[in-house]
Amino acid sequence: DAKTTQPNSMESNEEEPVHLPCNHSTISGTDYIHWYRQLPSQGPEYVIHGLTSNVNNRMASLAIAEDRKSSTLILHRATLRDAAVYYCILRDPLDAGKSTFGDGTTLTVKP
Amino acid sequence: DTAVSQTPKYLVTQMGNDKSIKCEQNLGHDTMYWYKQDSKKFLKIMFSYNNKELIINETVPNRFSPKSPDKAHLNLHINSLELGDSAVYFCASSQDPRTTGTGELFFGEGSRLTVL
Repeated sequence: DAKTTQPNSMESNEEEPVHLPCNHSTISGTDYIHWYRQLPSQGPEYVIHGLTSNVNNRMASLAIAEDRKSSTLILHRATLRDAAVYYCILRDPLDAGKSTFGDGTTLTVKP
Repeated sequence: DTAVSQTPKYLVTQMGNDKSIKCEQNLGHDTMYWYKQDSKKFLKIMFSYNNKELIINETVPNRFSPKSPDKAHLNLHINSLELGDSAVYFCASSQDPRTTGTGELFFGEGSRLTVL
């Protein structure tokens, strides 16, 4: 019952930008869009989040569509250490932040 | 210093046994969670506590009982273990998502439970 859909896998070359898409067509007005990534045998790691406006931090950028029904995580220069499963989730403060992670996108970075 | 720490990291046990997984966070957060990740890699929320109060209780068998002695600790006790309980269990913490609106999650490294 994940509320987001993502491609199962994507590939990128090292030092090239990567655009990871996420669809969330049933997003509510109070849902925040969060991105996490999970390296093998580790817990998920927070990457970035946003509500309506595009966001940048040291790890990535988040581009949010005007209708908020989709978003894109942008890694500006992929490195081998960015190879992971990337999850896009919605967190609603009115629902105690309840969220289930969907399939995620497995990103492979080629040297 | 590990922000969210879980013990044990690995747990192998027989069906029917009772086991516990402990979690501690030193981030000063007031909300803690238990997630279950099955073999298909879905991460599903099980419980959430805010300041020792249960705020999320998903459809989980009542063999699973969370306990929060204080806001820095959330333990998971599982009675009468079944084969289907085999999974990786992740503890997480955040600021109260109902008030901050952001509440980014910080996860532990996981506890892999194998039921034989």
